Amino acid sequence: DTGVSQNPRHKITKRGQNVTFRCDPISEHNRLYWYRQTLGQGPEFLTYFQNEAQLEKSRLLSDRFSAERPKGSFSTLEIQRTEQGDSAMYLCASSHGGLGNEQFFGPGTRLTVL
Amino acid sequence: AQTVTQSQPEMSVQEAETVTLSCTYDTSESDYYLFWYKQPPSRQMILVIRQEAYKQQNATENRFSVNFQKAAKSFSLKISDSQLGDAAMYFCAYRSPGGYALNFGKGTSLLVTP
Repeated sequence: DTGVSQNPRHKITKRGQNVTFRCDPISEHNRLYWYRQTLGQGPEFLTYFQNEAQLEKSRLLSDRFSAERPKGSFSTLEIQRTEQGDSAMYLCASSHGGLGNEQFFGPGTRLTVL
Repeated sequence: AQTVTQSQPEMSVQEAETVTLSCTYDTSESDYYLFWYKQPPSRQMILVIRQEAYKQQNATENRFSVNFQKAAKSFSLKISDSQLGDAAMYFCAYRSPGGYALNFGKGTSLLVTP
């Protein structure tokens, strides 16, 4: 399968713990996006990478959140000192460069903070 | 920030019938991109159809078509000959021409009955 993959698919953690999620985009895509989706809502944009450069960050991305894409391939999203409000589905998407190009989404990582 | 509104939290349609999902958006830009994404239960989001604002012709993809009314800032999705596999959450999304983030509505849950 050559689609976007995310690991783990589910993560349960206790409040205050750190968690890290991984996203592997479609191999030829140079753009990578992270979104957060809470129950009953549409996805909300968190951050965007073009190759290894993080070019845009939402104000939703607090200081406890950090994202990297070290070699312009896979990306990680880390949440430090998790809070119950961080419980959500974290979606990764990737696309080619160019305007209007389709973003292909991964299956998401569902985070539950107890 | 552009706002996307989907006023129908839930819709129901009988198999083989036609259903229309509504979406309105708020923007001051003249050029932009609009999308409909489908999110089946526990499965990843996929693109259904895309519309460039500078194109007057409504986009069509097989059984899916849109009614794009630029002046009214309306972008509805029509699903013809509905199938059981069409049951899903449908999200309308907006993207600025110079931006990267998709701004999603809250979604419409579509139920297809036999």
